[in-house]
Amino acid sequence: DVVMTQSPLSLPVTLGQPASISCRSSQSLVHSDGNTYLNWFQQRPGQSPRRLIYKVSNRDSGVPDRFSGSGSGTDFTLKISRVEAEDVGVYYCMQGIHWPRTFGQGTKVEIK
Amino acid sequence: EVQLLESGGGLVQTGGSLRLSCAASGFTFRNFAMSWVRQAPGKGLEWVSCISGSGGSTYYADSVKGRFTISRDNSKNSLDLQMNSLRAEDTAIYYCAKEMNLNYWGQGTLVTVSS
Repeated sequence: DVVMTQSPLSLPVTLGQPASISCRSSQSLVHSDGNTYLNWFQQRPGQSPRRLIYKVSNRDSGVPDRFSGSGSGTDFTLKISRVEAEDVGVYYCMQGIHWPRTFGQGTKVEIK
Repeated sequence: EVQLLESGGGLVQTGGSLRLSCAASGFTFRNFAMSWVRQAPGKGLEWVSCISGSGGSTYYADSVKGRFTISRDNSKNSLDLQMNSLRAEDTAIYYCAKEMNLNYWGQGTLVTVSS
């Protein structure tokens, strides 16, 4: 199975400051169709997960533009340009090319 | 508006069975693959299973293969997960999600397996 490794696992951030989460996969996530299937999800406390980013860098509808995704091959990053209180929660990456699908361990974002 | 509503969770004994359902609305159900993802209490997300739009292709996590069966009824816009030989480690909130890359999620249904 493809192993997804996130870092850090805990991320205390000051309001208004940037935050960055890394995700590495044990195999390439580049599909033969040319797309790279790496997704990012946000799970706020007590809520269902919500997809933020698909195919590395595409924001889902309604996702604020302070969230951005980047990367290629096996190395990916989710960035929040200026953290707001509503961004508190756990963030997961997930590979969407290999079976079984696999998630990272999750990164808990909290306010300092 | 896409809506996914899971049901069927509850308390079941070790070795027992349970059938989860997910009622979908707001999109052309038969055109999209559907997935199940679970989350054990206080833990991360674990992908469980996926079924193609036609129902002709199914995929499972190794942890549930041979015990769980995913199915769908496109005439009823419904997704099911039949869970047999349940173990304590199957205790989790089970979410249904739209597509292979999980662009919409339901609110989840709690399954508790206890002796």
